[in-house]
Amino acid sequence: ETGVTQTPRHLVMGMTNKKSLKCEQHLGHNAMYWYKQSAKKPLELMFVYNFKEQTENNSVPSRFSPECPNSSHLFLHLHTLQPEDSALYLCASSQEMASGDTQYFGPGTRLTVL
Amino acid sequence: DAKTTQPNSMESNEEEPVHLPCNHSTISGTDYIHWYRQLPSQGPEYVIHGLTSNVNNRMASLAIAEDRKSSTLILHRATLRDAAVYYCILSPLEYGNKLVFGAGTILRVKS
Repeated sequence: ETGVTQTPRHLVMGMTNKKSLKCEQHLGHNAMYWYKQSAKKPLELMFVYNFKEQTENNSVPSRFSPECPNSSHLFLHLHTLQPEDSALYLCASSQEMASGDTQYFGPGTRLTVL
Repeated sequence: DAKTTQPNSMESNEEEPVHLPCNHSTISGTDYIHWYRQLPSQGPEYVIHGLTSNVNNRMASLAIAEDRKSSTLILHRATLRDAAVYYCILSPLEYGNKLVFGAGTILRVKS
């Protein structure tokens, strides 16, 4: 596979469930990102990882827990979510964290919290 | 965050050029100008970026005003597949590579 892949593409979960979103990049990049896109709102940056180290947590509630075991994989662990957390969750990667580097996005996971 | 202003929506005819404007009057000298687009039901896709000079690639051209306070994304021949939300984003050098997305411009292409 090439580019950035995300699984699952769709997820429905109850408020008491625990689930994980997975992102994998096949581009040899060193930086990875999680974004959230709620209905009728702009994309919001959630977390940034650079060389597996978290460099940004954009005031995200602790019910979202990221994990980056290596530069190719990024997870978002979800627990006790609220219905307002329903959104499209997008993963992206870039070669480095330099300001001009292109970010490559995955197709996203459409999450519905009941 | 460095701010950009874009029209909410624009419409174009197929096979005609499209000029998508972006105002960024508070831009600083080290801010990159990025354009991404998001097709329906997909993640954003890189289009083009520049710093001071005009840029061309296979997808589009980026025209940057001399004072850098505005820029224009040019699609030379719009196709139905170009219908998307187009985002103009400033990436300040001190922010590393954090992209702050606005609402963007919804481009509709008529056949």
